[in-house]
Amino acid sequence: EDQVTQSPEALRLQEGESSSLNCSYTVSGLRGLFWYRQDPGKGPEFLFTLYSAGEEKEKERLKATLTKKESFLHITAPKPEDSATYLCAVQADSGGSNYKLTFGKGTLLTVNP
Amino acid sequence: DTGVSQDPRHKITKRGQNVTFRCDPISEHNRLYWYRQTLGQGPEFLTYFQNEAQLEKSRLLSDRFSAERPKGSFSTLEIQRTEQGDSAMYLCASRGPYYGYTFGSGTRLTVV
Repeated sequence: EDQVTQSPEALRLQEGESSSLNCSYTVSGLRGLFWYRQDPGKGPEFLFTLYSAGEEKEKERLKATLTKKESFLHITAPKPEDSATYLCAVQADSGGSNYKLTFGKGTLLTVNP
Repeated sequence: DTGVSQDPRHKITKRGQNVTFRCDPISEHNRLYWYRQTLGQGPEFLTYFQNEAQLEKSRLLSDRFSAERPKGSFSTLEIQRTEQGDSAMYLCASRGPYYGYTFGSGTRLTVV
C-alpha cells in the first residue's frame, strides 16, 4: 500500500526565516509526486509536480526537490502570506489507469511577521 | 474555464437524513475524483470516474454512499442515512489527459 509521511506536522517561522518541509514516500512505482497548498476552508491549490529523482522546480519563494525516497519543499525568506497547510501526494504506477493521489497529512506552516 | 465548482459549500444535516453534493469539473477534463478530508488529515480517495464510467471505489465508500456522473459531465455524491462520522470536507477534483489535478473548494458537511 502506498504511504506518504510528512514532517513536521506543524512549523512556526519568523518572516524571512528559511526552512524545509519533508515528504517521505513508499510506493510500488512513482509516476509523480505533487505538492499542494491548502488554505483553511478551501480546496488544495496545485504547486508542483515532480517525476524523477534529481528533479527540481521553483515558484517564487518555493523550491521542490525529489529523491528516490523523499521530497523537500524549501521555503526561502517566507512571508506571512505563505502561512497555509502544505500537502504532499504521490501518484503510483499501480498498473491501473485511475491515477489517484495518495496524500500525507500535511504540514501546517505559520509565518509570523 | 472557471475551475472546478462544488455545491453547496456548506451543508448541515441531521443524523439519518440523506444529502447530495454536486461537482462541475473543468469542461474538457474526462477524469473526475471524489476525496474526503477530515480535520488534520490529508484528502482520502473515495471514487473515480472516467467519462461516465465509475472505475474505482475505495473501501471507505460504504453502501450508504453512491456517486454518479451522467453523460460524463457533472457528478453527484449522495450519502444516505448520514452518521456523525460522515462529517468532513468532500472534495472533487478533475484531470484531463495532459493536465494536473484541479480541486474544487469542497463541500463542508456537518452531521448533527
